[in-house]
Amino acid sequence: DAGVTQSPTHLIKTRGQQVTLRCSPKSGHDTVSWYQQALGQGPQFIFQYYEEEERQRGNFPDRFSGHQFPNYSSELNVNALLLGDSALYLCASSFIPGSKADTQYFGPGTRLTVL
Amino acid sequence: GNSVTQMEGPVTLSEEAFLTINCTYTATGYPSLFWYVQYPGEGLQLLLKATKADDKGSNKGFEATYRKETTSFHLEKGSVQVSDSAVYFCALSQGAQKLVFGQGTRLTINP
Repeated sequence: DAGVTQSPTHLIKTRGQQVTLRCSPKSGHDTVSWYQQALGQGPQFIFQYYEEEERQRGNFPDRFSGHQFPNYSSELNVNALLLGDSALYLCASSFIPGSKADTQYFGPGTRLTVL
Repeated sequence: GNSVTQMEGPVTLSEEAFLTINCTYTATGYPSLFWYVQYPGEGLQLLLKATKADDKGSNKGFEATYRKETTSFHLEKGSVQVSDSAVYFCALSQGAQKLVFGQGTRLTINP
């Protein structure tokens, strides 16, 4: 049973560029959440996608956008990159949104470095 | 809003020592509580969870009990191993499953 997968593993961009990160959820999961983890910090919630719609959003600017495809995979796009966007970006998948019985399972992350 | 406060690290112990990492939370109602572990260069792995008051989550020798009266979910292990060295995150979720994390506690176990 494949777990959550993310690509690429590492990425280096320069300020002002745009980046797209990809995530495939665990088999059987239909909900994808994205988190940003700065060095030495806990992950911060960016947004969550369910049924191809953004269901909930954290305190991130509109430069951060996403998409979910019919096969439940998801993309995170960041425009006009800033140095402060350098972080580990984590994708998590789950099933039955809002259920107390459910759990989010995380992928290995994409390390983004902005120079 | 909801928040999680963890014991500040780093924590350094000798092998076979007893481990406690404190976690307290602020939330309305009855959130679900989690401990995740992050090994160097990896994503987060679920260690254990509890979804209602007085529930005890356990896995790989680790335990944590959901204490509503003290709003706590402390992580414990009776005898740690070198392989337990990692960063541990306490987290809560409520309603729409957004996870709120603590700042993490780095644990180092010396042989």
